[in-house]
Amino acid sequence: EPEVTQTPSHQVTQMGQEVILRCVPISNHLYFYWYRQILGQKVEFLVSFYNNEISEKSEIFDDQFSVERPDGSNFTLKIRSTKLEDSAMYFCASSEPTYVTRTDTQYFGPGTRLTVL
Amino acid sequence: SQQGEEDPQALSIQEGENATMNCSYKTSINNLQWYRQNSGRGLVHLILIRSNEREKHSGRLRVTLDTSKKSSSLLITASRAADTASYFCATDYLTSGGYQKVTFGTGTKLQVIP
Repeated sequence: EPEVTQTPSHQVTQMGQEVILRCVPISNHLYFYWYRQILGQKVEFLVSFYNNEISEKSEIFDDQFSVERPDGSNFTLKIRSTKLEDSAMYFCASSEPTYVTRTDTQYFGPGTRLTVL
Repeated sequence: SQQGEEDPQALSIQEGENATMNCSYKTSINNLQWYRQNSGRGLVHLILIRSNEREKHSGRLRVTLDTSKKSSSLLITASRAADTASYFCATDYLTSGGYQKVTFGTGTKLQVIP
């Protein structure tokens, strides 16, 4: 069964460093998402991406964050200058629209645990 | 406002018993989904129920949706120790731009004691 994959599984970085989290969505999916989950808290939406542009973003997704689909398979989340509070589990998800403006089940990757020291 | 509040926050049962988790939400939705998360791991999609559906089954899972009360329940029958995990409901709706937005609840931590 096709699945969303994410690399690395765990990233440790120093505060102020840039990190890039990578995701490979399911190949025929058109919508892509990033979520984060701070330890012990609920999963929070960061951003959705469709047709090579951001379609929605939350207030968490500030100028320190950016997303990119550099090629036909990868979807990346970049944090320009990490802060301690960026430590969290980051999940990528993708979905396939059932018809033009409607989407369906989002399939999640296993997550990348980011630890900022 | 909180969208997707589960209760109870934690539930501990004996193996073989049924586990019921509830989710309430505030706004109109498109679909409601339940996910499972083992400690420190990723999210596993369990079941999706559409706003025009009232009940759905998948194996030992039964999900109900009451849009008039803006609530859903997840029932796991004949629980097993391997069901120990956190369970989240996630509601989605279409934004004015036609994009799906998903909001997760706070989760119920289920412990099944062998």
